[in-house]
Amino acid sequence: QSALTQPPSASGSPGQSVTISCTGTSSDVGGYNSVSWYQQHPGKAPKLMISEVTKRPSGVPDRFSGSKSGNTASLTVSGLQAEDEADYYCSSYAGNNILVFGGGTKLTVL
Amino acid sequence: QVLLQQSGPGLVRPSQTLSLTCAISGDSVSSSSTAWNWLRLSPSRGLEWLGRTYYTSRWNNDFAVSVRSRVTINPDTSKNQFSLRLNSVTPEDTAVYYCARGRMSTGLDYWGRGTLVTVSS
Repeated sequence: QSALTQPPSASGSPGQSVTISCTGTSSDVGGYNSVSWYQQHPGKAPKLMISEVTKRPSGVPDRFSGSKSGNTASLTVSGLQAEDEADYYCSSYAGNNILVFGGGTKLTVL
Repeated sequence: QVLLQQSGPGLVRPSQTLSLTCAISGDSVSSSSTAWNWLRLSPSRGLEWLGRTYYTSRWNNDFAVSVRSRVTINPDTSKNQFSLRLNSVTPEDTAVYYCARGRMSTGLDYWGRGTLVTVSS
């Protein structure tokens, strides 16, 4: 049982937009602006896509964006491309020097 | 460019100790601006943060509640690396283990390639 709740799957057609949610509590997602999103392709290490709720690291396409409302953070992928098909994980600082993750969402590009 | 090179056995017997090492190039384990983390990925538990070590004016460690009684993470400044030891392992500890650089507030920006560790007799 992961600390943060993500939908197990999401899908969209090429060119469309898809949003993945990450729901926590006021002790983690809602309490800090420390939500990150990671992309993981099969057999590869996770890659940081979004940090601090909305920040894109250098090299991450601007098709990826993050937001937060209350205890729920979201990752939006606009203009879906085939290479966006991957697993996506959210994480949040949870206080007391603890980092928690969501269970992951498998994004399928139809 | 930061590179993290993981090493360690891929098979551990139940009740024994899992030991992995992460060698760092392009940064220093003693850097005061970041932290050095261990995580694991399994089908049953998803991606799970295990703990970290980091240097301020002294060495610090933080651990996940789920493994706190069994885990040790140590820096080795002479080799610029850090290690994970998880004792009393069970088959539920079977996972791909990753080392990663980063702070909880700003995300984990560099990762090792992962090591599949199987706990089996």
